[in-house]
Amino acid sequence: EIVMTQSPATLSVSPGERATLSCRASQSVGTDLAWYQQKPGQAPRLLIYGASTRATGFPARFSGFGSGTEFTLTISGLQSEDFAVYYCQQYSNWPPLTFGQGTKVEIK
Amino acid sequence: QIQLVQSGPVVKKPGASVQVSCKASDYSFTTYNVNWVRQAPGQGLEWMGWISPYNGATRYAQQFQGRVTMTTDASTSTAYMELRSLRSDDTALYFCARGVYFDYWGQGTLVTVSS
Repeated sequence: EIVMTQSPATLSVSPGERATLSCRASQSVGTDLAWYQQKPGQAPRLLIYGASTRATGFPARFSGFGSGTEFTLTISGLQSEDFAVYYCQQYSNWPPLTFGQGTKVEIK
Repeated sequence: QIQLVQSGPVVKKPGASVQVSCKASDYSFTTYNVNWVRQAPGQGLEWMGWISPYNGATRYAQQFQGRVTMTTDASTSTAYMELRSLRSDDTALYFCARGVYFDYWGQGTLVTVSS
């Protein structure tokens, strides 16, 4: 099973600043890596797939990077609606499909 | 627009079984796998398994083997997840989601296991 590890667990950021979230895989997943955004009381929403392709509806301030075992999600110029929990997920080697434990982006 | 609509919340006693449904609309149901993902209160996302509506093939996460059954009904574009021998730690929000990376999700079904 591929273990996904996200850091930090919580990220405190002021509106307008940049947030950088990390996701590490226990073995290479190539670029078969997705990111999700989840707000309280809602289902997760696909944000990034293929490590760097933005899903429909997300603005360009969201960007994904990486391959192999190291991945980052960067949110440039945080807006109030961006404060949420973000999960990474690998779909390279499964079952099982595996998620990271999440990073909460909160208002500083 | 594409939607996955799940059945409503349920309360079950320990040892009972629960079935959650997920009705798909506005896409070819047999083209995409349906996954089930659960989220315990305040916790992260846990993949439970996957079913192919095309041929009924399934893959279950090891921790649910023997306790979960996933099925589909192509005539109604509906996927089902049955979990048996419920325990208190099965209390969670259960989601269905489409694909290998999950581009569409159901709204979630709260399953509460309590005596």
